[in-house]
Amino acid sequence: AQKITQTQPGMFVQEKEAVTLDCTYDTSDPSYGLFWYKQPSSGEMIFLIYQGSYDQQNATEGRYSLNFQKARKSANLVISASQLGDSAMYFCAMRVNQAGTALIFGKGTTLSVSS
Amino acid sequence: EAGVAQSPRYKIIEKRQSVAFWCNPISGHATLYWYQQILGQGPKLLIQFQNNGVVDDSQLPKDRFSAERLKGVDSTLKIQPAKLEDSAVYLCASSPPPGLAAFFGPGTRLTVL
Repeated sequence: AQKITQTQPGMFVQEKEAVTLDCTYDTSDPSYGLFWYKQPSSGEMIFLIYQGSYDQQNATEGRYSLNFQKARKSANLVISASQLGDSAMYFCAMRVNQAGTALIFGKGTTLSVSS
Repeated sequence: EAGVAQSPRYKIIEKRQSVAFWCNPISGHATLYWYQQILGQGPKLLIQFQNNGVVDDSQLPKDRFSAERLKGVDSTLKIQPAKLEDSAVYLCASSPPPGLAAFFGPGTRLTVL
């Protein structure tokens, strides 16, 4: 069965520091995609970054990078130089087969950034 | 490019009443999803459409929930009758074919009293 596990209910970081949000996944399918979404208190889900299972390099998007360790089945999100506006809930998600199938989400991690 | 639109943003009803939510996906996106997000949890898929056909409704409580996507564009999700445990945020999302990232609307927060 496909599953996403996020073991950190909450994380705290100071402004300008880097933070890593953990995500492990479980699937037996060799073709899959991994996603991170941000959900501020306003409620909308904002797409941050994507990593395909066959991608050789770790994905990066601005201050976001995805530390993809295939053998460990982990896809951790790294946020560099945290900002107050990064305070939000972060969800890791997986799509198997990349064939338009639905995303499976983890339970999320709440990130709090302080000044 | 306009994003996914949803209405209403908030709805409060009493149990056993009915309610309907509307979603307009991003133009050209063939795939549309309805997710339910209970407080403190990640979103859970209710139903997925490809154009106006249902791809996956295995987690939709069909005794009370129904959804349609007429003409392969807008979609409506209905709950009849509502239960207390239906209190949640209902998120609509869309993705282009073949879908990679799904783009979400602002959600409808439903409170059932």
